[in-house]
Amino acid sequence: DIQMTQSPSSLSASVGDRVTITCRASQSISNYLNWYQQKPGKAPKLLIYAAFSLQSGVPSRFSGSGSGTDFTLTISSLQPEDFATYYCQQSFSIPYTFGQGTNLEIK
Amino acid sequence: EVQLVESGGGLVQPGGSLRLSCVASGFTFSSHWMSWVRQAPGKGLEWVANIKQDGSEKYYVDSVKGRFTISRDNAKNSLYLQMNSLRGGDTAVYYCARLSRMYAPDYYAIDVWGQGTTVTVSS
Repeated sequence: DIQMTQSPSSLSASVGDRVTITCRASQSISNYLNWYQQKPGKAPKLLIYAAFSLQSGVPSRFSGSGSGTDFTLTISSLQPEDFATYYCQQSFSIPYTFGQGTNLEIK
Repeated sequence: EVQLVESGGGLVQPGGSLRLSCVASGFTFSSHWMSWVRQAPGKGLEWVANIKQDGSEKYYVDSVKGRFTISRDNAKNSLYLQMNSLRGGDTAVYYCARLSRMYAPDYYAIDVWGQGTTVTVSS
């Protein structure tokens, strides 16, 4: 199975900050990488697919990059509604494993 | 409106069984792979199972193989998860999810999620 490791596990930031979350795969997954946002008590929401493609309706302050084993999710200017937990997921091979999550908190 | 609504969760004793259901609306259910994803209390997301559009292919995470069965009824726009021999480690919120091919040829992502149904395995 492909292991997905996110860093950091938690992050404190302020409104307006630029934030980067990293996801590393245990083997090359090309760009078969998705990012999700989850708020407490809610279902996850797709933000980015195929490493860098923005899902319809997602604000342009979210962006994704990377290929192979190393990927990043960047939020260019944090807004109050962005404080949530973020997960990466590989769709290269089954099982479609998720990272352990990054909890983004208000500083 | 595209929607997935799960039901069937509850409290069950270790070794017991439970069947989760998910009804889809607002899209052509029979055109999509479907998934179950779970989340244990305070933990991250774990993919559980996938099923192909016609039910001919099914895949499972190792921890549920031989105990869980994913199935679907396209005539009823419904997805199911039969869970047998339940263990404490199966306690989680179970999400029904639509898997969509976002990008040719085979870039898939979960683009629609249900609200989740809670399964608690405890004596």
